[in-house]
Amino acid sequence: DAGITQSPRYKITETGRQVTLMCHQTWSHSYMFWYRQDLGHGLRLIYYSAAADITDKGEVPDGYVVSRSKTENFPLTLESATRSQTSVYFCASSAWTGRSGTLNSPLHFGNGTRLTVT
Amino acid sequence: SQQGEEDPQALSIQEGENATMNCSYKTSINNLQWYRQNSGRGLVHLILIRSNEREKHSGRLRVTLDTSKKSSSLLITASRAADTASYFCATDFTGNQFYFGTGTSLTVIP
Repeated sequence: DAGITQSPRYKITETGRQVTLMCHQTWSHSYMFWYRQDLGHGLRLIYYSAAADITDKGEVPDGYVVSRSKTENFPLTLESATRSQTSVYFCASSAWTGRSGTLNSPLHFGNGTRLTVT
Repeated sequence: SQQGEEDPQALSIQEGENATMNCSYKTSINNLQWYRQNSGRGLVHLILIRSNEREKHSGRLRVTLDTSKKSSSLLITASRAADTASYFCATDFTGNQFYFGTGTSLTVIP
């Protein structure tokens, strides 16, 4: 099915463990994003990627690592999980229109991964 | 943070009434988008308005943008119970990143 899928849907891990959240999109969108959603903070941008092998930090990148070896995949890794990283994580993608030098296309979101760090 | 701020945080109305929510932001933007999020789901794009536009319509949705006041409003007319959700504005001021506000939680009572 076309779209953007995240896995796992739910994850419980212990403090200090490494965990990877997966994101896969079938549209061949150039841009992909990772957000975390917490009560009182809305959605905060962690990392984004303009294309394969191009990634950049967002608002809250500390403690996270991303990679983008293929256009369709954008995994997010917590190298050593902490309780403060308990959150709902959303992946999104967007097509680059490029005409005006800005991203004038909607974001398409996955259904999120609810991560609990104990 | 450069995120927008939605107002009110929560809104409860009767079915058939209009719902208005506002978004204020801090810096000049390229465009502004509104999204809806149903409980337990990802965000769904509603409408995009560019910085040189003042108003856009999509079905029962009307969005306005006032760049001099750095604010936008989303109006949902003739609300339905199915409109119950959280609504977020997202601003782009860098050209390739979107920053979200904390959202307005809308409850439409049947």
